[in-house]
Amino acid sequence: AQTVTQSQPEMSVQEAETVTLSCTYDTSESDYYLFWYKQPPSRQMILVIRQEAYKQQNATENRFSVNFQKAAKSFSLKISDSQLGDAAMYFCAYRTNTQTQGGSEKLVFGKGTKLTVNP
Amino acid sequence: DAGVTQSPTHLIKTRGQQVTLRCSPISGHKSVSWYQQVLGQGPQFIFQYYEKEERGRGNFPDRFSARQFPNYSSELNVNALLLGDSALYLCASSSRDRDYEQYFGPGTRLTVT
Repeated sequence: AQTVTQSQPEMSVQEAETVTLSCTYDTSESDYYLFWYKQPPSRQMILVIRQEAYKQQNATENRFSVNFQKAAKSFSLKISDSQLGDAAMYFCAYRTNTQTQGGSEKLVFGKGTKLTVNP
Repeated sequence: DAGVTQSPTHLIKTRGQQVTLRCSPISGHKSVSWYQQVLGQGPQFIFQYYEKEERGRGNFPDRFSARQFPNYSSELNVNALLLGDSALYLCASSSRDRDYEQYFGPGTRLTVT
């Protein structure tokens, strides 16, 4: 079974600074996706960024980028130029590539990291 | 296009009662998944349905059941409610066009007293 571990229950960053959230995972599969989701107090889970395991290039979405280390099974999220609106719970999630390996679209989530942005 | 919608927003039930939660996927999405998120934890997978067929089931008791309708909307039913069923229930939909990337609804907050 796959597992996702987020070792930082809470992190804080000053506005305009950079912060990195850590995530490690365990799997025996070779083809999968990794995601970072943001959940603000409004509860809506919002997709921030995704990474396909077969791609060596790290994904980037505006101020958000990842450092994907497949051999180390590590998937960290870097937020640059942090803004007050970035304050939220951040969840790392794993999903099998069902198109190549079958199975369900089940997302396996970590326990989350609460990010506080200080003005 | 409208996002994933869920109803009701909040619900209070008594132990032993039954509850039905509803989800409407994004237009064109044929897959719906349900998750339970207990306070302070990450979401846990309950079910996935694709074109009315169950594709996956998480480690939840038989008190939990779901179904998907021809219009791809879905219902999650929980029987014989326990205090431990109090949680945020999230629905997500996906489509093949985006490699089954899941888009979440706002959730239903269930409180069991």
